Amino acid sequence: EAGVTQSPTHLIKTRGQQATLRCSPISGHTSVYWYQQALGLGLQFLLWYDEGEERNRGNFPPRFSGRQFPNYSSELNVNALELEDSALYLCASMKGIAYNEQFFGPGTRLTVL
Amino acid sequence: QQQVKQSPQSLIVQKGGISIINCAYENTAFDYFPWYQQFPGKGPALLIAIRPDVSEKKEGRFTISFNKSAKQFSLHIMDSQPGDSATYFCAAHETGNQFYFGTGTSLTVIP
Repeated sequence: EAGVTQSPTHLIKTRGQQATLRCSPISGHTSVYWYQQALGLGLQFLLWYDEGEERNRGNFPPRFSGRQFPNYSSELNVNALELEDSALYLCASMKGIAYNEQFFGPGTRLTVL
Repeated sequence: QQQVKQSPQSLIVQKGGISIINCAYENTAFDYFPWYQQFPGKGPALLIAIRPDVSEKKEGRFTISFNKSAKQFSLHIMDSQPGDSATYFCAAHETGNQFYFGTGTSLTVIP
């Protein structure tokens, strides 16, 4: 069974640009979570989608947004990039809201210059 | 407010020793407590998890001890090995809600 996949592996942008990060959950999983992990720091919750709906979002500005597609894959968009957005962005999937086991992808390393 | 507090921030253990990482939580509605292991540049991997109706769970060299009345749980790594050197995160989850993570513990096992 394939795990959670994320693309691209690395992304380099300049300040003010937009970044789009993609996530494919484990087959059969309907919930997708997004987290930001700045260097040496813990996981900061960004967004949670289930069955195409946004279930919750963390304490991040509106320029962080996303969506979930009918096939349960998800996209995270970051507009007007700032230097402090440089981080590892992790996607995790779960079978559904009634479940607990969450599995992470390898992450996308976003560097903002 | 930090929902899950984790300590220590870093830990150095000799090979063969016991590594102990502690977490405390506030919300008694949490019903699932996982631990994740993360190597540099990689995503966290689910290591072991426990539910509040059990006081201890063991998988190989990894054991979770859970104290419901104290709202604390800990990860014990027996016979620690250099390959265990990684960052460990505890988390708490209420079914149907988001996950809350601790701030992480950087474990170094010295050969």
